[in-house]
Formats: sequence, structure tokens, C-alpha cells
Amino acid sequence: ETGVTQTPRHLVMGMTNKKSLKCEQHLGHNAMYWYKQSAKKPLELMFVYSLEERVENNSVPSRFSPECPNSSHLFLHLHTLQPEDSALYLCASSQRTDGGYTFGSGTRLTVV
Amino acid sequence: GNSVTQMEGPVTLSEEAFLTINCTYTATGYPSLFWYVQYPGEGLQLLLKATKADDKGSNKGFEATYRKETTSFHLEKGSVQVSDSAVYFCALKTSYDKVIFGPGTSLSVIP
Repeated sequence: ETGVTQTPRHLVMGMTNKKSLKCEQHLGHNAMYWYKQSAKKPLELMFVYSLEERVENNSVPSRFSPECPNSSHLFLHLHTLQPEDSALYLCASSQRTDGGYTFGSGTRLTVV
Repeated sequence: GNSVTQMEGPVTLSEEAFLTINCTYTATGYPSLFWYVQYPGEGLQLLLKATKADDKGSNKGFEATYRKETTSFHLEKGSVQVSDSAVYFCALKTSYDKVIFGPGTSLSVIP
């Protein structure tokens, strides 16, 4: 049990579908993050939420839409994705005063 | 800008061999430094960290020392096991609360 739970673990979606990834943490952390991990590429930070407010958006296409309704939950809403969006999407949380992140196991997304 | 550089992988070692994975960084100010490990099919796990110069982080037989003079944070383990096969990420955190990850180094340990 890592403390950060991501669902689903695997997702296959067509380019016209709409789906959502969910992340949940019960560690009392006040910051949450979405990362994209593609084969042979460095981890890409997508979004940062601190105290439920988005503090960073790293030029992510609008087909990815994050939502943080409270400090324990983070969503990534997906629509009209492209095949190159296929990747492992990782959620993480932290206390902003402590740099250590706790990661979830990720959602393996395949866009067909 | 801030960045992390790691040695290219993959690294293949025999069981009980000595492991070193090099990591150097570029940063303004005084970053905290981390090593994360990612086992197959899983997310990243924090392995160890050091928050100031000359600090040594250690966990599960792994060690790394924060060397400000050489801007390095090399990961070492005296005797690797097959179960250590994973991808290892060096990372730094600046005062702006953003963690920057290196590209990762894949380690395979063979019996």
C-alpha cells in the first residue's frame, strides 16, 4: 500500500472517447501532481495542485483537464486524445515543506 | 536552469556486485537531492534523500552523499541482489517546491 491509489490501472480508449483518471491519497499531504511517463523520455510534469489550487500547468494540451475537488482527490479528464498520448500517467502527493513525493502505481493509457 | 544528469543505462551486474550510478546536478541555491526507484509495473518510490551538503542518505543498503563541491549525488550499494533490478531516478528539489527528475538508469541484476 503506497498511500496513493490510482484507478484504473489500465485504460484503452479511442480517440473520440472521454475518460477520467482518478488519484486518491490519505496521507494528509497538501500538494498533488500529475506526471506523464513515456518510453525513453524523462518524466514530464503536467500539473501541480497546492492546497487544491492549480499552481502549475506545463504547457499541457487542453485535451487534458485536471480537477482537484479536495486535498485528497485529483482527477485527469481526457478527451479526443491522440495515439502519442499513450503513456503511463503517474499521480504523486507531498507535503510542500518536504520534498519527498509519494507516487501511485500509475495508469497505463493506450489510445487507439 | 536546474537539471539532473544520470549515467546512461542499462546497467547489468551480477548478483553481489558493487553498484554505482552516477548523478550530477545543476541548480541555483541549495537544493535537496533524492533517489527514487521504480520497479516493473509500479510507480516511483522514494529510496533516500539528503537535504544539505555532506549529508548521507541511506536505505535498504543503498547510500548517496550530497557533494556540493562536485555537484554530485552518486548512488552506491555494496552487494546488489536480483530484487534490486529496477529503474533508478536521481532528482532535486529547489526552494520553489518543484522536483526535477533525471532520465532514469535501468539496472538489471543477473543471478
